[in-house]
Amino acid sequence: EIVLAQSPGTLSLSPGERATLSCRASESVSSNYLTWYQQKPGQAPRLLIYAASRRATGIPDRFSGSGSGTDFTLTISRLEPEDFAVYYCQQFRNPGYTFGQGTKLEIK
Amino acid sequence: QVQLIQSGAEVVQPGASVKVSCKTSGYTFTTYYIHWVRQAPGQGLEYMGMIIPSDGGTYYAQGLQGRVAMTRDTSTNTVYLELRSLPSEDTAVYFCAREYPANNFFDYWGQGTLVTVAS
Repeated sequence: EIVLAQSPGTLSLSPGERATLSCRASESVSSNYLTWYQQKPGQAPRLLIYAASRRATGIPDRFSGSGSGTDFTLTISRLEPEDFAVYYCQQFRNPGYTFGQGTKLEIK
Repeated sequence: QVQLIQSGAEVVQPGASVKVSCKTSGYTFTTYYIHWVRQAPGQGLEYMGMIIPSDGGTYYAQGLQGRVAMTRDTSTNTVYLELRSLPSEDTAVYFCAREYPANNFFDYWGQGTLVTVAS
């Protein structure tokens, strides 16, 4: 089973700042198989980025994804108040499509 | 519009079974896979498995094999998750989500169903 380790566990930033979230895989994952979601309390996850760097429909361009192999990054260029949430990465290389443990982005 | 509507909250006793439904609409049911993901209180997302509505084929995550069954009813465009012999650790919100085959992402999710295992 591929394990995804996200860091940091919690990120405290202010609106307007830049956020950089990391997702590291225990084995190489093709960039086609790495996806990012955003989840707010009491809601289902929302698709943000697929194939490591492709924004889903309706996702603002302040969200960007990058990476390959075992190291992937989600960047939010300028934080808006609605961006404070928990972010998860997910791999689709192997069935048992594991998630990372999440990064909580909180207001500083 | 695409919708995945799940059944309501359940409270079940330890050792019992529960069956959660996910009724889909707004797209061709047999075209998309349906996956199940759960989230224990205050915890992260855990992948449970998937069903292929066109032929009923399934994949279950390793830790759940033997206790889980995913089925579908093509006459009502509904997918079911049954979990048996529930321990208290199965208390969680259960989500269904759809994937176009080989897209490698879940684009629409159900609203979630809280299952509480308690005596």
